[in-house]
Amino acid sequence: GENVEQHPSTLSVQEGDSAVIKCTYSDSASNYFPWYKQELGKGPQLIIDIRSNVGEKKDQRIAVTLNKTAKHFSLHITETQPEDSAVYFCAASTYGNQFYFGTGTSLTVIP
Amino acid sequence: EADIYQTPRYLVIGTGKKITLECSQTMGHDKMYWYQQDPGMELHLIHYSYGVNSTEKGDLSSESTVSRIRTEHFPLTLESARPSHTSQYLCASSLEQMNTEAFFGQGTRLTVV
Repeated sequence: GENVEQHPSTLSVQEGDSAVIKCTYSDSASNYFPWYKQELGKGPQLIIDIRSNVGEKKDQRIAVTLNKTAKHFSLHITETQPEDSAVYFCAASTYGNQFYFGTGTSLTVIP
Repeated sequence: EADIYQTPRYLVIGTGKKITLECSQTMGHDKMYWYQQDPGMELHLIHYSYGVNSTEKGDLSSESTVSRIRTEHFPLTLESARPSHTSQYLCASSLEQMNTEAFFGQGTRLTVV
């Protein structure tokens, strides 16, 4: 089955700086890569996703890049704010199959 | 806002008790999942379903059982709770036909004493 690795496990940045979280996957058949944000006491919520026919996608301060050849994808958050502090999960899946999640990154934005 | 609901949000129960964690979604999703989330944050898939009368075990062995009698409902049952079952349980759902996001409920935090 698929194996998704995520780094780093914890990340602290100063407010206004950028944050980058990286994931790798093993199954070349994976074609959908969502990113989730989980705030304390809540379930994960989708913040951005990318499909394998696209190399980059942006939504305001967040962006995701995908390198299919190297089997890795990354989340970029620019101009970080304290409300960005949360746990972030990457995931990979193929059509009709389950989601495989990374181990999570706890992001702290220091005011 | 996702239309997927879990009850109860918090539960403290004694060892040996039978419990059922409820999960319902109003989005008509075929696929539903149960994840166990440990204190280290990692999500472990314990059960999933592709539709009515379909249930499968996930990657993490679990003593719980699930049922899928109706599309919208996917309850998880522990016949005899133990302290090792103390965890956060997250339910999720997604569409079968398209490769789209999974929607998560708020979770049930279970403590077995």
